[in-house]
Amino acid sequence: DSGVTQTPKHLITATGQRVTLRCSPRSGDLSVYWYQQSLDQGLQFLIQYYNGEERAKGNILERFSAQQFPDLHSELNLSSLELGDSALYFCASSPRLASGANVLTFGAGSRLTVL
Amino acid sequence: GESVGLHLPTLSVQEGDNSIINCAYSNSASDYFIWYKQESGKGPQFIIDIRSNMDKRQGQRVTVLLNKTVKHLSLQIAATQPGDSAVYFCAERRPGGSYIPTFGRGTSLIVHP
Repeated sequence: DSGVTQTPKHLITATGQRVTLRCSPRSGDLSVYWYQQSLDQGLQFLIQYYNGEERAKGNILERFSAQQFPDLHSELNLSSLELGDSALYFCASSPRLASGANVLTFGAGSRLTVL
Repeated sequence: GESVGLHLPTLSVQEGDNSIINCAYSNSASDYFIWYKQESGKGPQFIIDIRSNMDKRQGQRVTVLLNKTVKHLSLQIAATQPGDSAVYFCAERRPGGSYIPTFGRGTSLIVHP
């Protein structure tokens, strides 16, 4: 157990629907990252939050949004889902924003299947 | 566990052999590099890291080599075991404020007993 908790582990939904993925970071970690892992693209960075604030954006679609709450858990919202959104979504956390080593601790992922 | 199912380069080795996994990175200004291991059904796990002011770093059974001239990283695993079977990713940290690790495509290592 890495200490990063993601729910749900598996999710099957239909095109056009909206889902929310949840992440609790490792105890003491302030920074949360979301990555998408699909067959063709490997691990793609989506977005980062630090202590409740958005700090960096990657290849995140406008249909996707995220937030980090005061208790530091984070949610990734995916809307108007398309078949191509089927992927593994990983949350990772790190202690601080960026200083020295920046090792991320990953959760086990949420597998989203869009039918 | 479920398979990631990525279309990846694959390295097949026999148990006990040494494995070398290669990675080319893209940004000559990247200052920090990390190797992650992803087993089936799990998220990536940290293996070893190296800063750009080093050429080599050793861990337990693993060694990372950095060649900045050609922007190349390698991960050497000594006496490879079946439990080393996984997908291995290198990640580079690019300068620019956010220091977000950028992952390469990964290499699938298969260790045959």
